[in-house]
Amino acid sequence: DIQMTQSPSSLSASVGDRVTITCRASQSISSYLNWYQQKPGKAPKVLIYASSTLQSGVPSRFSGSGSGTDFTLTISSLQPEDFATYYCQQSYSLPWAFGQGTKVEIK
Amino acid sequence: QITLKESGPTLVKPTQTLTLTCTFSGFSLSTSGVSVGWIRQPPGKALEWLALIYGNDDKRYSPSLKSRLTITKDTSKNQVVLTMTNMDPVDTATYYCAHIPRNMVRGVIFQVFDYWGQGALVTVSS
Repeated sequence: DIQMTQSPSSLSASVGDRVTITCRASQSISSYLNWYQQKPGKAPKVLIYASSTLQSGVPSRFSGSGSGTDFTLTISSLQPEDFATYYCQQSYSLPWAFGQGTKVEIK
Repeated sequence: QITLKESGPTLVKPTQTLTLTCTFSGFSLSTSGVSVGWIRQPPGKALEWLALIYGNDDKRYSPSLKSRLTITKDTSKNQVVLTMTNMDPVDTATYYCAHIPRNMVRGVIFQVFDYWGQGALVTVSS
């Protein structure tokens, strides 16, 4: 099974900051990497799929990159509504796996 | 507009069987390549994929839970049902169902959970 590891587990940032979250797969997953945002008490929401394709309706301040084993989610200018937990997920092979999450908190 | 909603018991006793129903609208499981998946999340913990089913009735399960899970569909009712046997307190979680489209990017098919239900919190306790 493929394991997904995110770093950091949490971070504190201010509105307007550039934020980067990293996700590493235990083996190559090509570009089969998705990113989700989850707010407390809510279902996850997809931000990016296929490593770098922005889901319709998602603000352009979110971007994704990477292939193989190393991936990055970047928020170019953090907004108040972006404080949430972010998860990566591989869809390269079953069983699909999520990372452990990265909580983005207000500094 | 695609919507999904989970329904089922909020409390089950240890050793009992859990049955959850996902009722959806805005798409058909008969559409080629479309599937519905189940994901769970224990309180304060990460997401865990459980199972998925395609319109052709192809079913896939998490290996760690395969012996306890069954996923079925009723296309005429737009429903997908997940059963989990021998429930344990560690199975306490919010259970989500989600739509999985067939996205084509640069000629390659990618799968993603693009629409989610609101989730159903299931507590396992005697």
